[in-house]
Amino acid sequence: QTVVTQEPSLTVSPGETVTLTCAASTGAVTSGHYPNWFQQNPGQAPRALIYDTTNKHSWTPARFSGSLLGGKAALTLSGVRPEDEAEYYCLLLFGRARVFGGGTKLTVL
Amino acid sequence: QVQLVQSGDEVKKPGASLKISCKASGYSFRTYGISWARQAPGQGLEWMGWINPSGGDTAYAQNLQGRVTVTTDSSTSTAHMELRNLSSDDTAVYYCARDGGDTATVMQYWGRGTLVTVSS
Repeated sequence: QTVVTQEPSLTVSPGETVTLTCAASTGAVTSGHYPNWFQQNPGQAPRALIYDTTNKHSWTPARFSGSLLGGKAALTLSGVRPEDEAEYYCLLLFGRARVFGGGTKLTVL
Repeated sequence: QVQLVQSGDEVKKPGASLKISCKASGYSFRTYGISWARQAPGQGLEWMGWINPSGGDTAYAQNLQGRVTVTTDSSTSTAHMELRNLSSDDTAVYYCARDGGDTATVMQYWGRGTLVTVSS
């Protein structure tokens, strides 16, 4: 069973930059895993942010960016705002199967 | 606009089966894949399965294989997820989500979720 691992929690101050990562138990994450990122606020459905490693949806704020970093998928928030406090999930594709990471709780203090 | 409207919350007894619907509108139903995911109370997201409404191809999470089935009805633009032999561990919010236009764009649009409680 493939496991996808994210930092359980991160804390950042407003205006700072933070990077969340997403690792696979099978080895390095590559573009072939088509990393996707989602944001979820309490009591709400998730919202898609990033697809295919780096691409933003039309509604994704410009301060969010995706990349590959050191064998992991990464989500970087530049100039964090208080409203970015949320849970963030990565999702990787393994053929037709999909696996979510455990999520990162981002706190903005 | 793309909308995914899920069926209402449910309470089930252990050992029972569950079938949730997800009615799509605002796009060509057969063109985009649909996934199902769930989230137990206070836990993370778990991907359950996927279907291509055009060809009927499916994929399922390994740990749910044999217990979950996803289907579609193109005549009503509705996707269904059936989960059998329920236990308390299946208590969760269940979501349907539509893919984007290519392999790499996954779960772009989401339903609001259906709360399922399994309790004797």
